Amino acid sequence: DAKTTQPPSMDCAEGRAANLPCNHSTISGNEYVYWYRQIHSQGPQYIIHGLKNNETNEMASLIITEDRKSSTLILPHATLRDTAVYYCIVSFYNQGGKLIFGQGTELSVKP
Amino acid sequence: DAGVIQSPRHEVTEMGQEVTLRCKPISGHNSLFWYRQTMMRGLELLIYFNNNVPIDDSGMPEDRFSAKMPNASFSTLKIQPSEPRDSAVYFCASSPGQPSTDTQYFGPGTRLTVL
Repeated sequence: DAKTTQPPSMDCAEGRAANLPCNHSTISGNEYVYWYRQIHSQGPQYIIHGLKNNETNEMASLIITEDRKSSTLILPHATLRDTAVYYCIVSFYNQGGKLIFGQGTELSVKP
Repeated sequence: DAGVIQSPRHEVTEMGQEVTLRCKPISGHNSLFWYRQTMMRGLELLIYFNNNVPIDDSGMPEDRFSAKMPNASFSTLKIQPSEPRDSAVYFCASSPGQPSTDTQYFGPGTRLTVL
């Protein structure tokens, strides 16, 4: 399985955009990029996923580079409630849904 | 929908005792996953089921751990005998298993403490 590299921690000012990077240089052609987050003491929560096109939903935007070796999760207007650990995961589409979580990025949104 | 339901939410037991964790997936979901989370090892996939059949149990740490899914609405993770190093938060997740997405929906977790 492809592995991902994320910075261990990041800070963001409340109301500003949070841009969380992820490197997945060994991703294969049929692997998707997924983002989940885990707010303290809760179960992980799905955010967004994509293959090669940029994606947007009510929570975030996902920007995937043309060579698919990296991606960026964008929270357009971060709030204090977005403070969490964010996980970038690559996985085969519909592979029974097997996801391997790394260490993630701990995002702190500050007032 | 009530989401994924796990019980108990907290469990404290003594070394050597049997522990059973329970999970009710979201109705209609075809896949179910058991994870364990510790500070040292992060979030680890233990086992997952598709249509009640275990597909991959390579993450199960040892024979003391066993998981069952007797029907589409219930799964158990059993530890017998329990050890202090099993102390962790155990999450259950389910997914629709449909071709459109493999989004997993996680339960609130069971915090297990083995003394």
